[in-house]
Amino acid sequence: DVKVTQSSRYLVKRTGEKVFLECVQDMDHENMFWYRQDPGLGLRLIYFSYDVKMKEKGDIPEGYSVSREKKERFSLILESASTNQTSMYLCASSLGEPQHFGDGTRLSIL
Amino acid sequence: SQQGEEDPQALSIQEGENATMNCSYKTSINNLQWYRQNSGRGLVHLILIRSNEREKHSGRLRVTLDTSKKSSSLLITASRAADTASYFCATDAESGGSNYKLTFGKGTLLTVNP
Repeated sequence: DVKVTQSSRYLVKRTGEKVFLECVQDMDHENMFWYRQDPGLGLRLIYFSYDVKMKEKGDIPEGYSVSREKKERFSLILESASTNQTSMYLCASSLGEPQHFGDGTRLSIL
Repeated sequence: SQQGEEDPQALSIQEGENATMNCSYKTSINNLQWYRQNSGRGLVHLILIRSNEREKHSGRLRVTLDTSKKSSSLLITASRAADTASYFCATDAESGGSNYKLTFGKGTLLTVNP
């Protein structure tokens, strides 16, 4: 079974902090994705990566950046956290179809 | 941009009944997928139907796709309390080079009462 592991289930940070969310997959998948999930808005794609050091903006990239230095790891970075970035963050990986998801990180920015 | 939209937003049924959820989308697709999310967890893939297929079955799941109406339905038969979850449809873009990027709907919250 594919395993996608997100480093934290719950995280509390302060406004202005630089926040790192880590995601690791164990199936040598080329594609990795970061989504945020908010009530009433569903899942929205922040960034995705289709290869090491390659990245593309999703629908809501503002305020975020990503890093993919190794194939198995995809990091989401909040450069200067703001309260409107309080959300559930979901990482996924795929070789094609379907996508395999981690359990999410519930991030609160105070 | 929101591609898929599920209907209804919430559905409450009794154990043993069938549950039907619908999804509408806007642009042409290669395939449509359904995912399930238990509370506080990640999404789990249920079933994929390609644009040239009309119906697909997997266990108690039945998915239909009508590309002329740009809609899909997910039927769960003989529901169980353990089926309580949110269900999302997801579509890809028909254009090439999408790198399997998906667009998800807002989901249907299904509650199955024992």
